[in-house]
Amino acid sequence: GNSVTQMEGPVTLSEEAFLTINCTYTATGYPSLFWYVQYPGEGLQLLLKATKADDKGSNKGFEATYRKETTSFHLEKGSVQVSDSAVYFCALSRGGSNYKLTFGKGTLLTVNP
Amino acid sequence: DSGVTQTPKHLITATGQRVTLRCSPRSGDLSVYWYQQSLDQGLQFLIQYYNGEERAKGNILERFSAQQFPDLHSELNLSSLELGDSALYFCASSVDTLGGEQYFGPGTRLTVT
Repeated sequence: GNSVTQMEGPVTLSEEAFLTINCTYTATGYPSLFWYVQYPGEGLQLLLKATKADDKGSNKGFEATYRKETTSFHLEKGSVQVSDSAVYFCALSRGGSNYKLTFGKGTLLTVNP
Repeated sequence: DSGVTQTPKHLITATGQRVTLRCSPRSGDLSVYWYQQSLDQGLQFLIQYYNGEERAKGNILERFSAQQFPDLHSELNLSSLELGDSALYFCASSVDTLGGEQYFGPGTRLTVT
């Protein structure tokens, strides 16, 4: 079946540091890939997505590239801010008869001033 | 604001009881998904409805059921509640196209005592 593996946290960085959160997936065919973010006490917000190989999703300074050869979708940001502190979820949607999301376990990011 | 609404925000009830969670999707979205978020299981897909009909089932217990009404709002019914059912329950809606992202509501936090 489909699965998503993302690096375990927590990840603690200083403001303006470089961020990478690794995500790899297992799925047949060509899934769509997503990063969602969950701020404390809130629901999930879509951060970025990519729907085919070599696509780069980007939003709010975050980027991730769909790498089919390595089945990866790593999240990066060049300079994190305190306001980026949240839980980040990598997810995939396989399509077909339904588009349910399969999530990784989430990575807690804390950015200190 | 994702445009997806969920009520109630919090629910505290006793073991053995029954509760109903409500979700209204974004305007124009025909699909509603229910997810459960718990510390031990992470984010798990429960069930999907599309335009009033059940489309897919995930890890949903037999004590749980859902439906989608003609106005497209959905209800998740949880019965014979157990302590282990305490979790955040999210509803999401989408336009069902490959790569179509899901928009999440703020969630209902259920506490079973």
